[in-house]
Amino acid sequence: KAGVTQTPRYLIKTRGQQVTLSCSPISGHRSVSWYQQTPGQGLQFLFEYFSETQRNKGNFPGRFSGRQFSNSRSEMNVSTLELGDSALYLCASSLYLWELFFGEGSRLTVL
Amino acid sequence: SQQGEEDPQALSIQEGENATMNCSYKTSINNLQWYRQNSGRGLVHLILIRSNEREKHSGRLRVTLDTSKKSSSLLITASRAADTASYFCATDARNNLFFGTGTRLTVTP
Repeated sequence: KAGVTQTPRYLIKTRGQQVTLSCSPISGHRSVSWYQQTPGQGLQFLFEYFSETQRNKGNFPGRFSGRQFSNSRSEMNVSTLELGDSALYLCASSLYLWELFFGEGSRLTVL
Repeated sequence: SQQGEEDPQALSIQEGENATMNCSYKTSINNLQWYRQNSGRGLVHLILIRSNEREKHSGRLRVTLDTSKKSSSLLITASRAADTASYFCATDARNNLFFGTGTRLTVTP
């Protein structure tokens, strides 16, 4: 069974640009969650989607958005990038909340 | 914040020794989970303990949960160099998992 796949793995952007990250969950998993990980703030919850609906959203500005498609694949978008958005963005899929399967992450560097 | 806090922040031991890390959280939970993260990689689920359980074992892992103190501990017995990683506790709240700050474990051969 293939794991959670995140693309791209690494990317460099400049301030003001936007970025789209992609996540393909494990087959059969309908819930996809996104987390931001930084050395200073640790793992911060961004949002969670289930069957194309955003069920929960963390405390991030509106520049952070996401969506989920009918095949459960998910994307997140960050517009007007700031230096502080540099982070490892982790996607996780699950059948239930009691076990998340994480991808390897997308490491974003904003210059 | 729903986040838990792990203690200690960093722990260094030698192979063969036991490693104990603790997690404290703030609100009532349905379950508590522990995850491991190798440097810069994704997290891997280790074990889940439900709120009505006090202790759980999985291989070399032993987890305890004290809901009255809102705390949990993870014990790794007979540590190996491959156990070097960051360990996070995660608690469920409002249909989401909130992660603690992590304990960085270093096991030297």
